[in-house]
Order: sequence, then structure tokens, then C-alpha cells
Amino acid sequence: NAGVTQTPKFRVLKTGQSMTLLCAQDMNHEYMYWYRQDPGMGLRLIHYSVGEGTTAKGEVPDGYNVSRLKKQNFLLGLESAAPSQTSVYFCASSRDISNTGELFFGEGSRLTVL
Amino acid sequence: EDKVVQSPLSLVVHEGDTVTLNCSYEVTNFRSLLWYKQEKKAPTFLFMLTSSGIEKKSGRLSSILDKKELFSILNITATQTGDSAVYLCAVGDYKLSFGAGTTVTVRA
Repeated sequence: NAGVTQTPKFRVLKTGQSMTLLCAQDMNHEYMYWYRQDPGMGLRLIHYSVGEGTTAKGEVPDGYNVSRLKKQNFLLGLESAAPSQTSVYFCASSRDISNTGELFFGEGSRLTVL
Repeated sequence: EDKVVQSPLSLVVHEGDTVTLNCSYEVTNFRSLLWYKQEKKAPTFLFMLTSSGIEKKSGRLSSILDKKELFSILNITATQTGDSAVYLCAVGDYKLSFGAGTTVTVRA
């Protein structure tokens, strides 16, 4: 059971570089999310998607873009990385609105921006 | 703005002790409150609470929700070193707001 898979797991970028984090889920879930986790701040929602072809902004969307072209994949892009984006990024998915709230998380991607 | 506050931020106990973790919240749309355990990597699901006053139990862990006073507690009895983790509280509907977490350290 793969569940939710994130790639890459680690990445070091220089300021101004771009990159994409890929999240893939094999549970046929409708809802997918990108969170970032920083020390002492818990998980903060960046963007989310309630279905294929849809995306919406979360709590901290600035500096990030997302796309959900296929139901199983949710991509998080950084167009011009900044040191403030150094964080651990978690992708999560949930079945649908009837399965309220329970999220299935990927293992996380640690990004360092120098 | 949604707010989820967990207390204490951290605590250290000895094996066999009982711990009580607190989560208070103010959110726009409430459908459920969830507890997660996070060790090295991804958070893992513990409980989902939707109704007041109904205790959920799983082994040595239990949790209850008070929707009138807007808080929940998570109890861990007879703690073991394997209970050492960050415990996260999350509240909302299909979008969840997370608290900063409580770091629990259980010493042998």
C-alpha cells in the first residue's frame, strides 16, 4: 500500500531557483492538500484541491503555485525560492466531504533554500 | 481567522504516568476535531471527534470533545517510551487548522 507518496524527500535550492514537489496518492481520494511545517508553528495550509482540475488558496499561499491535472497527483511549485520557504512540506489527501477531516499524509519533503 | 491552541507546549513524564493534553479552538466552520501523533515523519491519525461528551478510546489513549466550551482533551494513561511524540490537534471541516502541537517525552 503506497498511500501518499512525495518526491523528492530532500532538496537544497539557491535563492531564486524554481522547483516542483510532486504528490501522488493511490486511494482515489478527491481532496488533496499541501501543508508546510515550521518549528513551533504546527502545520499551515498552503493550497488545496477538492477535485481534479480545481485548486484553492489556503492560509499561506504566497510564493507557491499548484496544479491538479490528474486526480491522483497534486503538484506544488516554487517559482523563485526564498529562504523563508525553508520548511518541511507535507502532502495529504482525504476521501471526500463525507469522510470529514481524516487526512492521510505523505512522509514529507525537507526543503532548504540558501 | 481560525485559531487552534494546544497546551502545554511540551512536557516530560516518566513511564507509567498519565498525561492530559489540551486543545482549544475558535474556527469558522466546525465539522470535526482530530488528534494526530507525529513521530519522526508523517502525522498518524488517532481520533476524530464530532459530538460533545462522547469519549473515544483506543487502548491507553482516550479523548473527549466539549463543543460548548470549544475544547478537547487527549489522555494517555500508563505512558510508555513509545508514546514520545508530538501530538497535534486539528479542527475544521474539509479544511483543517492545526495547533502547534504538544511535545511529549516519556523517560524510562
